[in-house]
Amino acid sequence: NAGVMQNPRHLVRRRGQEARLRCSPMKGHSHVYWYRQLPEEGLKFMVYLQKENIIDESGMPKERFSAEFPKEGPSILRIQQVVRGDSAAYFCASSPGTGAMNTEAFFGQGTRLTVV
Amino acid sequence: AQSVTQLGSHVSVSEGALVLLRCNYSSSVPPYLFWYVQYPNQGLQLLLKYTTGATLVKGINGFEAEFKKSETSFHLTKPSAHMSDAAEYFCAEEDSSYKLIFGSGTRLLVRP
Repeated sequence: NAGVMQNPRHLVRRRGQEARLRCSPMKGHSHVYWYRQLPEEGLKFMVYLQKENIIDESGMPKERFSAEFPKEGPSILRIQQVVRGDSAAYFCASSPGTGAMNTEAFFGQGTRLTVV
Repeated sequence: AQSVTQLGSHVSVSEGALVLLRCNYSSSVPPYLFWYVQYPNQGLQLLLKYTTGATLVKGINGFEAEFKKSETSFHLTKPSAHMSDAAEYFCAEEDSSYKLIFGSGTRLLVRP
């Protein structure tokens, strides 16, 4: 799983600032998932993307959150006007997108966002 | 909505003792099931997975899990705990939209 690269590993933002989290999938993987882990909780699905397409964003908050996976470059999870409740670990997973998606999915090490 | 339940947010065992971490899923169709381990400040590492076929699945680090459809369970076991097994363990189910539904996790403590 070291192949899925997330940066930064730790991010501190003041309330009202923007947070940008990056995820570079494993080579050959064209499907990306973002999950959020609140303190002392399990991971919750946020969004599923393929190159240039959002497939499922049912777990994304309706406001302030957006995600993209451009043709070139990493997937970006963007949080505008952060609030303390956004403090969490954000994990990215990538998959080749063939067959059973998650049987070949790998997770990155996460970005830990702290809002002060 | 699908859900995954992990009984016991904390489990404590002695080194060398049996490890049993419980997981129940809710899907009414044959599920894909996973166990992940998370060490402090790290990402998730896949321990094992069940897709089809043999209901007893062997994973890394001596862990195994058995899919029991009649009980909608996928409990994780290891015959003899090691200090290095101390971590948080998550059970997950893949839903029809290919996203993972996670349980709330079980923190395993191994006593010397």
